[in-house]
Amino acid sequence: AQSVTQPDIHITVSEGASLELRCNYSYGATPYLFWYVQSPGQGLQLLLKYFSGDTLVQGIKGFEAEFKRSQSSFNLRKPSVHWSDAAEYFCAVGAGTGNQFYFGTGTSLTVIP
Amino acid sequence: GAVVSQHPSRVICKSGTSVKIECRSLDFQATTMFWYRQFPKQSLMLMATSNEGSKATYEQGVEKDKFLINHASLTLSTLTVTSAHPEDSSFYICSARDPTRGGQETQYFGPGTRLLVL
Repeated sequence: AQSVTQPDIHITVSEGASLELRCNYSYGATPYLFWYVQSPGQGLQLLLKYFSGDTLVQGIKGFEAEFKRSQSSFNLRKPSVHWSDAAEYFCAVGAGTGNQFYFGTGTSLTVIP
Repeated sequence: GAVVSQHPSRVICKSGTSVKIECRSLDFQATTMFWYRQFPKQSLMLMATSNEGSKATYEQGVEKDKFLINHASLTLSTLTVTSAHPEDSSFYICSARDPTRGGQETQYFGPGTRLLVL
């Protein structure tokens, strides 16, 4: 069965520092992988996605993620965090015949001045 | 980008009543829509997959008679929480898939509906 693990429940970084959010997945085939961001009381916004090809994908707001098949990982990175990046981040895998999404438990990001 | 709306954004109801939540794709036709439930500070849990013109496919553990889903058109899916109880209070989020944009695999999410059952 497919599953998504985000090991870090909460991360605090200083503004301007680099960021890496971890995501590991379990799926029998090559999955479709996504990162979404959710601000308080808001819906989800797509940051980036990986389907195939180049394993380093660029997204919006300066985010990037790297797919590593050998590690079953799809970690999200940003070289310099802004205060507006404080939010909840969800990794998701699209799987199954209907391409249902399965989400990780999320990582809450706090940015300190 | 693709826009998905939900109505209402917030609803409070009495225990035992039914509540209908609408999910609309505003600028594209969505043959498939999904319904999720999110508890406070938790992840989204897929409830069901809704295909236009056919019965919804429910995830294991989701009561079909409790959460009625209708996808009558390519731009509208509804979730009706029947005989709501306090434990049904949650944040309900829908998403829609636009096969013409972003690939078949990308889902666009609505802003969510917060349901509070008293």
